[in-house]
Amino acid sequence: AQSVTQLDSQVPVFEEAPVELRCNYSSSVSVYLFWYVQYPNQGLQLLLKYLSGSTLVESINGFEAEFNKSQTSFHLRKPSVHISDTAEYFCAVSDRPLQGAQKLVFGQGTRLTINP
Amino acid sequence: DAGVTQSPTHLIKTRGQQVTLRCSPKSGHDTVSWYQQALGQGPQFIFQYYEEEERQRGNFPDRFSGHQFPNYSSELNVNALLLGDSALYLCASRRQGLARPGANVLTFGAGSRLTVL
Repeated sequence: AQSVTQLDSQVPVFEEAPVELRCNYSSSVSVYLFWYVQYPNQGLQLLLKYLSGSTLVESINGFEAEFNKSQTSFHLRKPSVHISDTAEYFCAVSDRPLQGAQKLVFGQGTRLTINP
Repeated sequence: DAGVTQSPTHLIKTRGQQVTLRCSPKSGHDTVSWYQQALGQGPQFIFQYYEEEERQRGNFPDRFSGHQFPNYSSELNVNALLLGDSALYLCASRRQGLARPGANVLTFGAGSRLTVL
């Protein structure tokens, strides 16, 4: 079975500073990895995903994550954050290939707070 | 193009009651999954429906049941409510069987927030 550990429950940073949200996973099989973002009182939005190919994946709003198989990590980074990035971020792993029944296993979440 | 829609958005029930939550998948999607997100926690998988059948189930008791209709919409039913059932219930949909990897990533709705008193 898969599991996901998000190493920081809360991360406060100042606006325009860099940020890294850490995610480690455990699995005995190949995985697909995801970062989702949840703004207050909203559902989950997909931020970025790693399925195959390049281990560095990017989102349209400046976030990037790197899949490190040897360290079983998928840390999320942004070089300069904005107030609008304040949200809860969830790392997730898929326990099967995306064909067939799919179950996402989520971490506990990291609350990113951007201070002016 | 409407995304995943859920109803109701908020509801309050008392212990022992029963609740039904509803989900309409994104247009073109045929597979629906339900997740429970307790306060301060990550979502946990309840079950997934495809072709009107439960295909996979998480570690939830039989009090949690579901249904998928021919139009792909879905219901989540919870019987004999407990205080611990208070949570945000998220529905997610995707299209099954697309050959291109990543083409069927889940799309989530905004959720139904259930409070059990």
